[in-house]
Amino acid sequence: GENVEQHPSTLSVQEGDSAVIKCTYSDSASNYFPWYKQELGKRPQLIIDIRSNVGEKKDQRIAVTLNKTAKHFSLHITETQPEDSAVYFCAASINNQGGKLIFGQGTELSVKP
Amino acid sequence: NAGVTQTPKFRILKIGQSMTLQCAQDMNHNYMYWYRQDPGMGLKLIYYSVGAGITDKGEVPNGYNVSRSTTEDFPLRLELAAPSQTSVYFCASSYRGSVETQYFGPGTRLLVL
Repeated sequence: GENVEQHPSTLSVQEGDSAVIKCTYSDSASNYFPWYKQELGKRPQLIIDIRSNVGEKKDQRIAVTLNKTAKHFSLHITETQPEDSAVYFCAASINNQGGKLIFGQGTELSVKP
Repeated sequence: NAGVTQTPKFRILKIGQSMTLQCAQDMNHNYMYWYRQDPGMGLKLIYYSVGAGITDKGEVPNGYNVSRSTTEDFPLRLELAAPSQTSVYFCASSYRGSVETQYFGPGTRLLVL
């Protein structure tokens, strides 16, 4: 089955710097790659997603890139702010399998003022 | 719309007891999912449903059962609770499954002693 690996597990940056989180997946049939942000004690919330027919997607300070050949995708956050501090999860979904999401292990991002 | 709702918010169970975690959505979504999140870990899929009367196993189904008699509700049943089932349980839903955003409920924190 699908397996998603996420790195790093923790990431500390200074306010204003950029942060990059990387994920790799194993099943080439995966075609949907969402990123979720989870604040302490809260539910995961979608921040951006990308489909396999697109190589890059951007939404203000957040961007995601996808390399289907290498089977990896990355989250890029620019001009980080303290409110970006949270745990970020990547996930992958295989088409025609009920939309099941396989999650990475998470990255705890800390943005220091 | 209330979105995805879950009850209870928190519960303590004794080993061997049973309980049902409730999940409801009012977005007319066809697909619903149950995930568990252990401390400091990613989310693991327990069961999912692509419509009323249809359910299927996810990554970690042992010790759980589900039913889907209506589009709106997707309860998760724990039989003979074990300490290994101590976790936070999230219900999620999406309109059509694959390549669709999954919306998460607020979670149920379960402690088995």
